[in-house]
Amino acid sequence: DSGVTQTPKHLITATGQRVTLRCSPRSGDLSVYWYQQSLDQGLQFLIQYYNGEERAKGNILERFSAQQFPDLHSELNLSSLELGDSALYFCASSVAQGIGTGELFFGEGSRLTVL
Amino acid sequence: SQQGEEDPQALSIQEGENATMNCSYKTSINNLQWYRQNSGRGLVHLILIRSNEREKHSGRLRVTLDTSKKSSSLLITASRAADTASYFCATDHDSGNTPLVFGKGTRLSVIA
Repeated sequence: DSGVTQTPKHLITATGQRVTLRCSPRSGDLSVYWYQQSLDQGLQFLIQYYNGEERAKGNILERFSAQQFPDLHSELNLSSLELGDSALYFCASSVAQGIGTGELFFGEGSRLTVL
Repeated sequence: SQQGEEDPQALSIQEGENATMNCSYKTSINNLQWYRQNSGRGLVHLILIRSNEREKHSGRLRVTLDTSKKSSSLLITASRAADTASYFCATDHDSGNTPLVFGKGTRLSVIA
């Protein structure tokens, strides 16, 4: 058990819909990272937050947004969903700010299926 | 792209044999990490090697790093069926505020 909690574990929805994925980091970790894993693209970095502020942005679509709340949990919002958004979405946390990233602790992921 | 590349993409060995996976990357790094992922599960950190280190051991794992060749290898000795998983290298690049960049992984199958 990594200590990182993600909900929901599975989600099935239709194209055009909007979903919210939730992540609670390990106790004491200030950084939260979101990654998307699909078969053809591997593990792609989406966005990182540190103590409530956005620290780094990767290949995140404009239809996607995220935030980190004062209690440090984070939400990833995916809107206007397309078939290609079907993937495993991972949240990870660490104590680091992002420069010289140390070990990441991953949640079990949220599997999104868009029909 | 800064993304590391693992080689081979897939590896199948018999229990008891050693498994070697390689990772190459393109730009200078602060550190390189290896992670393991069981099918459909979250990634688990295995080992971190810093840019000024050349070799590191953890149990049956041995990691080497050659910064001149921009490559790393992960050796799993005396493999077990439970080692069956995908293994990813992740690079922490020395280019500012950039989180870990993962390769596409090596799928290891250990046959009992």
